[in-house]
Amino acid sequence: AQKITQTQPGMFVQEKEAVTLDCTYDTSDPSYGLFWYKQPSSGEMIFLIYQGSYDQQNATEGRYSLNFQKARKSANLVISASQLGDSAMYFCAMTLYNFNKFYFGSGTKLNVKP
Amino acid sequence: DGGITQSPKYLFRKEGQNVTLSCEQNLNHDAMYWYRQDPGQGLRLIYYSQIVNDFQKGDIAEGYSVSREKKESFPLTVTSAQKNPTAFYLCASSIDGYSNQPQHFGDGTRLSIL
Repeated sequence: AQKITQTQPGMFVQEKEAVTLDCTYDTSDPSYGLFWYKQPSSGEMIFLIYQGSYDQQNATEGRYSLNFQKARKSANLVISASQLGDSAMYFCAMTLYNFNKFYFGSGTKLNVKP
Repeated sequence: DGGITQSPKYLFRKEGQNVTLSCEQNLNHDAMYWYRQDPGQGLRLIYYSQIVNDFQKGDIAEGYSVSREKKESFPLTVTSAQKNPTAFYLCASSIDGYSNQPQHFGDGTRLSIL
């Protein structure tokens, strides 16, 4: 069975600092994808970044990067230079290559302080 | 602009009543999904459809029903059998139900019991 674990229910970060949101996953399938989504208080889910299990390099998208450690089964999201607009819930998710069913973690609520 | 439209934004249900949540997409995606989100929780899969006229139960399908008569539309009915329907409902779509692609989400419907 597939499982995603986010152990940080809530985090605070000072504006302009970097922050790391933790995500660990569990699967016996060698082919999978890992995603991060942002959910502002308005409720929509915004896709941030993707990492494939066979990708050799860590994914980056602007201020977002994914610290992928395959042996440890972790896929932490790093947000550099935090902005007030980054305050939101962040969800880690996993899908298997041959079946686009998403498994979501319980989320981390990030608060950026001015 | 392509996207996913969910309506209504807010919905109230009386005891013993069935209500239907609308989800329409113009992304030409084959696969569509319904999720339920309870306060402070992650997303749980209710139903998904990988192709027109076909759909499968997710992890919490009891008390819900769906149809997929058109590629663009995937309505969700919350039946009177669902005893605790108060939640935030999110519809999503992806290019297909097999490859490793991000899911794109609508803005959600908040359902409450009167």
